[in-house]
Amino acid sequence: SAVISQKPSRDICQRGTSLTIQCQVDSQVTMMFWYRQQPGQSLTLIATANQGSEATYESGFVIDKFPISRPNLTFSTLTVSNMSPEDSSIYLCSVDWSGRYGYTFGSGTRLTVV
Amino acid sequence: AQSVTQLGSHVSVSEGALVLLRCNYSSSVPPYLFWYVQYPNQGLQLLLKYTTGATLVKGINGFEAEFKKSETSFHLTKPSAHMSDAAEYFCAVSALSGGYNKLIFGAGTRLAVHP
Repeated sequence: SAVISQKPSRDICQRGTSLTIQCQVDSQVTMMFWYRQQPGQSLTLIATANQGSEATYESGFVIDKFPISRPNLTFSTLTVSNMSPEDSSIYLCSVDWSGRYGYTFGSGTRLTVV
Repeated sequence: AQSVTQLGSHVSVSEGALVLLRCNYSSSVPPYLFWYVQYPNQGLQLLLKYTTGATLVKGINGFEAEFKKSETSFHLTKPSAHMSDAAEYFCAVSALSGGYNKLIFGAGTRLAVHP
């Protein structure tokens, strides 16, 4: 399966600032997915990033708040902009490395906004 | 639209006892179903998945799940719990949306294993 490196693993940020999370995959993948896991909650899909096109956002998530880049087939970034304490969550990237429902997840970025 | 319901947010078993975590799904098309485990402060690890074929699916760490279309269920079982099984377990269904497949997760079940 694919190996995903996600950075940073955790961060504490001041409200009003922005944090960019990086996701690096050891193989080329078409789709990369970004999820949010709020404290004690399940995972919610933020957006899907396809190389060469704009990301597709789920209901309740907007590009101004969560801009995503996908410059090539092995890398993506998610930025959490103008952060507030409500953004404190774990953010995870995921790929379908095999194209046959082999969804793999990064270890996540634990974000605390103070 | 596809959805997943996990019955029981917390399950507690004794070491050596049967583990049964319940998952029911709703899908208008043949579903692809998954179970993931999340250990504290870690990402998600795939336990097993059902796509097509045999309805009894065996996964890692001794877990298995059976796809029952008539019951719209995909319950996760393990014959004998181990202390190391204590974790959060998520059931998920793959949903086709906007031309691609994405995972829809259940709320999760926290499994506690006591001596």
